[in-house]
Amino acid sequence: DAKTTQPTSMDCAEGRAANLPCNHSTISGNEYVYWYRQIHSQGPQYIIHGLKNNETNEMASLIITEDRKSSTLILPHATLRDTAVYYCIAQRTDSWGKLQFGAGTQVVVTP
Amino acid sequence: SQTIHQWPATLVQPVGSPLSLECTVEGTSNPNLYWYRQAAGRGLQLLFYSVGIGQISSEVPQNLSASRPQDRQFILSSKKLLLSDSGFYLCAWSVGRQTETQYFGPGTRLLVL
Repeated sequence: DAKTTQPTSMDCAEGRAANLPCNHSTISGNEYVYWYRQIHSQGPQYIIHGLKNNETNEMASLIITEDRKSSTLILPHATLRDTAVYYCIAQRTDSWGKLQFGAGTQVVVTP
Repeated sequence: SQTIHQWPATLVQPVGSPLSLECTVEGTSNPNLYWYRQAAGRGLQLLFYSVGIGQISSEVPQNLSASRPQDRQFILSSKKLLLSDSGFYLCAWSVGRQTETQYFGPGTRLLVL
């Protein structure tokens, strides 16, 4: 499974969009990009995933570059409750059961 | 809708004592089940996963074991706890064989003294 690289931390102002980058330059054609987040002292929460196309749901948008070597998670209107560690994971469709969580990005939303 | 339960929420145990953590899932059948551990300030480490009753795969050798006595029940055990077993234990579930959308429980915080 491809390794992902994320910034260690980032700050975001409440009400503004938060753009979280993820680099996965060695991703292969059968690997999805998954995003999870973990609020302090809670279990991780699934946010969104995609393969090639951009995706949007009620929580966030996922923008994947055409060469699939990087992606950006967008929280359109950050709230204080979005403060969490965000994990970007590249996972093969045939290696289910083995999500590899890295260190993630600590996002702090400030008033 | 599906829900996942873990208990207890917190646990303080002496070194050398046994351990039993329980996880149950409601609202789905034949889920894949997982146990993760998160040490303080660290990332999540997959410990065990199960695709069905009695079927357990271990990812990391340790003094822990897992069992799945029923379709929606997953148990993490130890005969003798070590100090290094302290951490945040998370159970998760997913369905099918072609997705990694896993849904996590609230976790059990274990402190071994």
